[in-house]
Amino acid sequence: QVQLVQSGAEVKMPGASVKVSCKASGYTFTDYAFSWVRQAPGQGLEWMGWISAYNGHTKYAQKFQDRVTMTTDTSTSTAYMELRGLRFDDTAVYYCARVKGGIVVVPGDYWGQGTLVTVSS
Amino acid sequence: AIQMTQSPSSLSASVGDRVTITCRASQGIRNDLGWYQQKPGKAPKLLIYAASSLQSGVPSRFSGSGSGTDFTLTIRSLQPEDFATYYCLHDYNYSWTFGQGTKVEI
Repeated sequence: QVQLVQSGAEVKMPGASVKVSCKASGYTFTDYAFSWVRQAPGQGLEWMGWISAYNGHTKYAQKFQDRVTMTTDTSTSTAYMELRGLRFDDTAVYYCARVKGGIVVVPGDYWGQGTLVTVSS
Repeated sequence: AIQMTQSPSSLSASVGDRVTITCRASQGIRNDLGWYQQKPGKAPKLLIYAASSLQSGVPSRFSGSGSGTDFTLTIRSLQPEDFATYYCLHDYNYSWTFGQGTKVEI
């Protein structure tokens, strides 16, 4: 069965970086892409960016363009999201979501369990 | 950038009610729209993609309709497990834009 398992909760100082992992299993990793989405406490969903697991192509939301890097490791079927220059308002749960491309796109049919990143001094 | 406006932001309903949530795009988006359900502390769950296609495993009481700028999620007969927050999503050219969410309460 398809599973996306994310890394554990992190506590970071302002200005630090965090790297969240999303390990996929149960399907052919390179047949899909990933989107990363975050949710601040009590707030809605915010899209951060997208990466193709096939060729590593990325597209980032303008808001995060200068601070985020998304990568994949096909040898371990793992996607990564690194966010730099952390601020207090980056405190959120970060999710990875699988995306099926093609003529009919299926956005986010499977999601990771979420990773809480807390930015605190 | 295309904006997605969901309404209402919250609603109160009873078990068995028919519930309708709308999502309006600031410009035409063909049928590039999905709907998610999210329960507290859980990841979102895909209900509908391509405006009206029911995701595998989702009960048939959920349906989506619309094209262009106006879209609707309908829950035909609300069940106790349907009390949650619902989000629309515009998905195009590898970019996502979420609506603000609609909380469905008892």
